[in-house]
Amino acid sequence: AQTVTQSQPEMSVQEAETVTLSCTYDTSESDYYLFWYKQPPSRQMILVIRQEAYKQQNATENRFSVNFQKAAKSFSLKISDSQLGDAAMYFCAYRSPQTSGSRLTFGEGTQLTVNP
Amino acid sequence: GAGVSQSPSNKVTEKGKDVELRCDPISGHTALYWYRQSLGQGLEFLIYFQGNSAPDKSGLPSDRFSAERTGGSVSTLTIQRTQQEDSAVYLCASILRGGGPDTQYFGPGTRLTVL
Repeated sequence: AQTVTQSQPEMSVQEAETVTLSCTYDTSESDYYLFWYKQPPSRQMILVIRQEAYKQQNATENRFSVNFQKAAKSFSLKISDSQLGDAAMYFCAYRSPQTSGSRLTFGEGTQLTVNP
Repeated sequence: GAGVSQSPSNKVTEKGKDVELRCDPISGHTALYWYRQSLGQGLEFLIYFQGNSAPDKSGLPSDRFSAERTGGSVSTLTIQRTQQEDSAVYLCASILRGGGPDTQYFGPGTRLTVL
């Protein structure tokens, strides 16, 4: 079974600075999808960015980018020019196209605080 | 609808009572998932529905948990004889097609508190 590990329970960053959130995963599959979701206090899980494992190019969405290291099974999220609205719990998630329904396997989450 | 909706937003119940949690997926989405998020934890898969196929119930923690999806749309998660360890946020997600590359869209969840 796949596992996802986020080793940083909490992180903080100054407004306008850059922060990187870590995620590692364990899998024997070669084809899969990786996601970062953001969960603000409203509880709504919001997709931040996704990466297909077959793509070598790192995904980028505005201020959010990933560093996908397939051999190392690492998938970190970089947030540039941090804003107060970025404060939330961030979850890394793995999805296999092989398991039933392609359910998501989540890490434990990283609570990000943005200081003004 | 515009997004996944869930009701109630919060539910407080007494130990031993039954509860029903509702999920309205995005219109046209064929697949629906239920997850449970215990305090300070990541999300744990509970059950998956895809079209008219038999649901994947492999994540349900006990036989006190059940779910159904009527008409391929609305889903209800039922917890019988609730226990304090059932206290958690229950999140529902829908996806256009299960098993493909599509993104799962989540509802705001139901926070269940069992006293």
